[in-house]
Amino acid sequence: SQTIHQWPATLVQPVGSPLSLECTVEGTSNPNLYWYRQAAGRGLQLLFYSVGIGQISSEVPQNLSASRPQDRQFILSSKKLLLSDSGFYLCAWSVWDRGLSNYGYTFGSGTRLTVV
Amino acid sequence: AQSVTQLGSHVSVSEGALVLLRCNYSSSVPPYLFWYVQYPNQGLQLLLKYTSAATLVKGINGFEAEFKKSETSFHLTKPSAHMSDAAEYFCAVSVGQGAQKLVFGQGTRLTINP
Repeated sequence: SQTIHQWPATLVQPVGSPLSLECTVEGTSNPNLYWYRQAAGRGLQLLFYSVGIGQISSEVPQNLSASRPQDRQFILSSKKLLLSDSGFYLCAWSVWDRGLSNYGYTFGSGTRLTVV
Repeated sequence: AQSVTQLGSHVSVSEGALVLLRCNYSSSVPPYLFWYVQYPNQGLQLLLKYTSAATLVKGINGFEAEFKKSETSFHLTKPSAHMSDAAEYFCAVSVGQGAQKLVFGQGTRLTINP
């Protein structure tokens, strides 16, 4: 079965420090991968998505970047964190080519990032 | 571009009462629609999805939703609320074959009164 792993679950980082959040998927190949952010009291905002190794699409200009060094690995990074980067970060994957009956998005358990 | 609007950021119902969470979508092509539930400090769990088959979709935990093209709506319902249904609910839309983006509404927080 397919599983998605996201870590760490919580993170407290000082302003100006670097960030690296990792997401890995098991049990599937060539998934679409996504990073979403959920700010306090707000909905989910798509930050990045990737349809293949090294292919990254950015949805909003920001202080973050993403990379996909392997088929089932998706990394969210920052060189210098800002206070506004605080939020709940969710990784997700989807696979289209299994047909509509299996089509959907599966989310990781999330990382709560607090920048202080 | 596709979008969804959830009417009501907070909904409160009594235990045993009908739950109705509203979602309207905007899309120039047939959409795929989803409802997700989020419990505090957790990821999102899929409740149900519409992918152009039956317009009445049944999901987990007794929830269902009906796709109404004429009203561009995909409202979520449950006949009888349970205390465990208290959570945040998100409606979302994706468009197109190989659809690559899932766009969410702002969410509706459901509170269940005993």
